[in-house]
This record gives sequence, structure tokens and C-alpha cells, in this order.
Amino acid sequence: EDQVTQSPEALRLQEGESSSLNCSYTVSGLRGLFWYRQDPGKGPEFLFTLYSAGEEKEKERLKATLTKKESFLHITAPKPEDSATYLCAVQAGSQGAQKLVFGQGTRLTINP
Amino acid sequence: DAGITQSPRHKVTETGTPVTLRCHQTENHRYMYWYRQDPGHGLRLIHYSYGVKDTDKGEVSDGYSVSRSKTEDFLLTLESATSSQTSVYFCAISDRGDEQYFGPGTRLTVT
Repeated sequence: EDQVTQSPEALRLQEGESSSLNCSYTVSGLRGLFWYRQDPGKGPEFLFTLYSAGEEKEKERLKATLTKKESFLHITAPKPEDSATYLCAVQAGSQGAQKLVFGQGTRLTINP
Repeated sequence: DAGITQSPRHKVTETGTPVTLRCHQTENHRYMYWYRQDPGHGLRLIHYSYGVKDTDKGEVSDGYSVSRSKTEDFLLTLESATSSQTSVYFCAISDRGDEQYFGPGTRLTVT
């Protein structure tokens, strides 16, 4: 069974304090790994897609990386507006090309 | 929200009544999905569609049915609502079947 585990469940940082969120996965044939941001009361917002180990993507203060077993979302010098829940999802060959399996998310709080 | 609307945005209904949620897109994307999001379970796929009148089951499809008669609309029906179906429901769309874009959600309460 394909599984996605995110850690930590919750993370509280001071503004400017860099850190990383982890997404570990066990799947049969990874087709893609996706990161989303979700604000309270809203739908998930797409951030990145990673397809192969070694790939990296950046957007403002966020950088996503991928290995064969896990992905990291690095947050550099975060600001309070980066506070949100960050979701990781995988698309695996065993699930069918169109289906995503989501982790339970990391709730990030950035204090000013 | 990438040209996706969901209606209604909030609904309270009684156990045993049928409920239909609507997802409408203006992006002409091929794939459409229905998820539910619950504390402790994350986002779980209910059903998805890969074209007009082409649908398939997801992880938690029992008690739900879907229909897609037009590219732009994907309906989710709870045939006889139960309290366990109280949740937040999200619709998503995808052009190529990889990255998905989500709607604003519908909060459904079954009393």
C-alpha cells in the first residue's frame, strides 16, 4: 500500500528562523511528488511538482528537494505570511496515473 | 482557485436525505476529482473523472456517486447522508492528470 508520512505534525518558528519539513513515502513506482500549501478555510494551493531524485524547485522562500525515499520543503528566513499547513502528495504507478495520495500535513506557524 | 467554483459552500442536512454538491470549472481540464478532508485522515479521494461520462472510484467511494455530463461540471451525490459524511469536500481539476488545482471547498454537516 502506498503511504505518505509528513513530519513534524506541527512546527512553530520565529520570523527569520529557517527550517525544513519532511515528507517520506513508500510507493510502487513514483510518478511525481507534489507540495501544496493550505490556508485555514481554503482549498490547497499548488506549489511544486518533483519527478525524479535529485530534482529541486524554488519559489520565493521555499525550496523543495527529492530523494528516492523522501522530500524536504526548506523554508528560508520565513515570514508570518508563510504560516499555513503544507501538504505533500505522491502519484504512484500502483494507484493509477491520475490519483494522488496525500500525507496529513505539517502545520507551520511563524511568529513575528 | 484556477477557475473552479463549488456550490453550495456550506450545507446542513439531516441524516437520510440526499445531497448533491456541484463542481464547475472554466479551464476545460480533462480530469476532475472529489476529495473529502477530515482531521486525522487528511485528503482522501472519493471519485474522479477522466472525461465526460468516464468516472472511477477512489479510496472512500462507499455511499457516494458521481456524474459528469459536461466537461465543466462534476456532481457528487450522497444518496442517503449519514453523520460520518460530515466533512469538508474539495473538488480538484487537472489538465494532464498530474498536478491538481483545488476549489474553495464545501463544508457539509449531517445532523
